[in-house]
Amino acid sequence: QVQLVQSGAEVKTPGASLKASCKASGYSFTTYAIYWVRQAPGQRPEWMGRINTANGDTKYSQKFQGRVTITRDTSANTVYMELSSLKFEDTAIYYCARDDWGPDYWGQGTLVTVSS
Amino acid sequence: EIVLTQTPLSSPVTLGQPASISCRSSQSLVYSDGNTYLSWLQQRPGQPPRLLIYQVSNRFSGVPDRFSGSGAGTDFTLEISRVEPEDVGVYYCMYIIHPLTFGPGTRVDIK
Repeated sequence: QVQLVQSGAEVKTPGASLKASCKASGYSFTTYAIYWVRQAPGQRPEWMGRINTANGDTKYSQKFQGRVTITRDTSANTVYMELSSLKFEDTAIYYCARDDWGPDYWGQGTLVTVSS
Repeated sequence: EIVLTQTPLSSPVTLGQPASISCRSSQSLVYSDGNTYLSWLQQRPGQPPRLLIYQVSNRFSGVPDRFSGSGAGTDFTLEISRVEPEDVGVYYCMYIIHPLTFGPGTRVDIK
């Protein structure tokens, strides 16, 4: 069965960087792109970016351009999302989701708390 | 940029009764290939989102048939024919063509 397993919760200080991972299993990794979506407390989900897992091409939301980098390791069936210069308002749950004409399977989420 | 609005934002329902959620788009969601890429997600408390409906009216794998989607152009509806306790949560409409866009969500709870 399709599974996306994400890395564990993190607490970061303002200005630090975050690197979250998303390990895929149960399907051919390079057949589907992966989205990263975040959800602040009580808010709707928000698209951050997407990676073509076959060729590594990325597309980022303008809101995060310059601060977010999405990469993949095809040997490990894993996608990474790095977010730099963290601010208090980056406190959120970060999700990866497989793209099959839209997000179909979602990871369990990585809770990131930015606190001094 | 497409903006999705949902009504109502909160829907208290009686178990076994129907529920209906509307999603309206600021512009037509018909894509250049003729398809309409409007999906519905369910998010139970403390859980990640779960895909329910894709391309307006297609139920995703494992989704009970009490969930149905309809609509066209700019107006779409998610219906639950008989609300069960496990249906409590927030429902989002979502447009998948770049950029991925989400509605504000409708909270469904039991009266």
